Amino acid sequence: DGGITQSPKYLFRKEGQNVTLSCEQNLNHDAMYWYRQDPGQGLRLIYYSQIVNDFQKGDIAEGYSVSREKKESFPLTVTSAQKNPTAFYLCASSMGRLAGAGLYNEQFFGPGTRLTVL
Amino acid sequence: GQQLNQSPQSMFIQEGEDVSMNCTSSSIFNTWLWYKQDPGEGPVLLIALYKAGELTSNGRLTAQFGITRKDSFLNISASIPSDVGIYFCAGMVGNTGKLIFGQGTTLQVKP
Repeated sequence: DGGITQSPKYLFRKEGQNVTLSCEQNLNHDAMYWYRQDPGQGLRLIYYSQIVNDFQKGDIAEGYSVSREKKESFPLTVTSAQKNPTAFYLCASSMGRLAGAGLYNEQFFGPGTRLTVL
Repeated sequence: GQQLNQSPQSMFIQEGEDVSMNCTSSSIFNTWLWYKQDPGEGPVLLIALYKAGELTSNGRLTAQFGITRKDSFLNISASIPSDVGIYFCAGMVGNTGKLIFGQGTTLQVKP
């Protein structure tokens, strides 16, 4: 089955610890994205990558870091510098620019990771 | 910055009723997407719109891309209990790859 996987589903960490969230896709998509969702709110973009070995900051990148060494993988590290890290984190992917304007814009989401910092 | 206003914020309806929700933007978008999110899960894409005036259906769902390119609506006909969830609109300016999301409409359906 093609899709996006995020692991783990639930993650608990102590304050001051860095934590890395996994995101893997087997859709052969070029672009990948990380969003943060807080209760009762929409999704806010943290980082995105349109191609391997390249990524850009989104609207709320402070306290987060990413890497894109492989097309299939886009891990997100929540660092101790993130002041309020407890949230629901969602990873998404899309075909990317070369697919044409339409398909490029359709993003598909993983199941999410709920991070709780104690 | 660019903002999306989605309304209503929540709806509580009777099974079988029709539902309508909309999003408006201060910017012109060239793409409107509608997603549904179940509790604790990732959003699922329902409908994608790419042309001003476009009207697209997906089963009981119908969405339209506004003529001004600054708004979109989603209609659900003959609602059923499994329609319960949070519906998000999302728009994109140009081909930046960055989606802007509305705040969501929470739908509850009473059997």
